[in-house]
Amino acid sequence: QSALTQPASVSGSPGQSITISCTGTSSDVGGYDYVSWYQQHPGKAPKLMIYDVTNRPSGVSNRFSGSKSGNTASLTISGLQAEDEAYYYCSSYTSSSTLWVFGGGTKLTVL
Amino acid sequence: EVQLVESGGGLVQPGGSLRLSCAASGFTFSSYAMSWVRQAPGKGLEWVSGISGSATYYADSVKGRFTISKDDSNNTLFLQMNSLRVEDTAVYYCAKRGISSGFDYWGQGTLVTVSS
Repeated sequence: QSALTQPASVSGSPGQSITISCTGTSSDVGGYDYVSWYQQHPGKAPKLMIYDVTNRPSGVSNRFSGSKSGNTASLTISGLQAEDEAYYYCSSYTSSSTLWVFGGGTKLTVL
Repeated sequence: EVQLVESGGGLVQPGGSLRLSCAASGFTFSSYAMSWVRQAPGKGLEWVSGISGSATYYADSVKGRFTISKDDSNNTLFLQMNSLRVEDTAVYYCAKRGISSGFDYWGQGTLVTVSS
């Protein structure tokens, strides 16, 4: 069982917006602004999409945005495109000895 | 261009050992924290271990069995894995931590299979 809880799957049509949630506790998501999001296509390495809750690395489309409220972080993808179909993972710093925890992953299907 | 290239994976019997390496280039290796993240077949990502300066950190699942280290003179990250278990079977990724919370560069991964 993963430390952070994500929905197993979400879907949307091209052009629509979707949001993926990531729920933790006050020891991780709620306690620090150190949430990041990763995109992973099958057979590929993860790619950083969002860091520090809301920041986008250079080169990442502004269709991707992040936010946080309490113990839940969210990734929103607007203007869905076929290439967005992938798995998405959230991650957070944690005050436990583990240091970093990941969510179980969400499969995004573009219909 | 930042590059991370893992090596050392393979098939090992339960109870055996393996040493993974990650050759880094394109950035000042000694200035950044590094981590190992694994992904069991068909499963999600799991942070395994990290190193920042001389400080080392481990997931509870590997504590006491795995040891992370780095050679700054050769820009190489290591993971010594002892007492391997079937549940350690996974693709192991080397990841560079950015200025803040994200792992901004990842290697292509190396597969470790623990089986008799």
